[in-house]
Amino acid sequence: SQQGEEDPQALSIQEGENATMNCSYKTSINNLQWYRQNSGRGLVHLILIRSNEREKHSGRLRVTLDTSKKSSSLLITASRAADTASYFCATARNTPLVFGKGTRLSVIA
Amino acid sequence: EAGVAQSPRYKIIEKRQSVAFWCNPISGHATLYWYQQILGQGPKLLIQFQNNGVVDDSQLPKDRFSAERLKGVDSTLKIQPAKLEDSAVYLCASSLGTSGSNGELFFGEGSRLTVL
Repeated sequence: SQQGEEDPQALSIQEGENATMNCSYKTSINNLQWYRQNSGRGLVHLILIRSNEREKHSGRLRVTLDTSKKSSSLLITASRAADTASYFCATARNTPLVFGKGTRLSVIA
Repeated sequence: EAGVAQSPRYKIIEKRQSVAFWCNPISGHATLYWYQQILGQGPKLLIQFQNNGVVDDSQLPKDRFSAERLKGVDSTLKIQPAKLEDSAVYLCASSLGTSGSNGELFFGEGSRLTVL
């Protein structure tokens, strides 16, 4: 299956700390994307990393991709209470995006 | 730029009843998706349209679910008859590129269905 699997399933940290979430997948991909979902809302695209890229930054977000290990990580630095949400990785290979089950992040003020 | 619009936001029905959800994608987006998200899980693709043609409906339970995208713009997803296990959030998403381009998806707020 192409589906990504996020780890951990849930993460609770204090405001100001860094949060790291991991995603593993099974088949080769064209790109991997990370999305955020606030409670009761739709998903919002955060960042896309292509299979020939190893690292990408966007504001407080840092994404890495290791295609040899079929894994990716999302780092949120200096977390804020507003970062509380579920985070999903999605893999793409000439087919519709396939989403994992997500990591639920709680940032405590 | 207006986002993806969905309605209704919430719907409660009894099993065996029917329900329809509507989606208006971002203007100019060729590809439209319907995903089902059960509580605590990630979104699962039901159907993908490119313009008004179906690209992928392999995971759509066709005995009870149907979807159309008339004129390549708005789309409706219908469930008839509904089962208890259909309780979920139905998410519509659109993307600028054609199918296979694997670009960013833009999601609506979703339609939450509760089947009693």
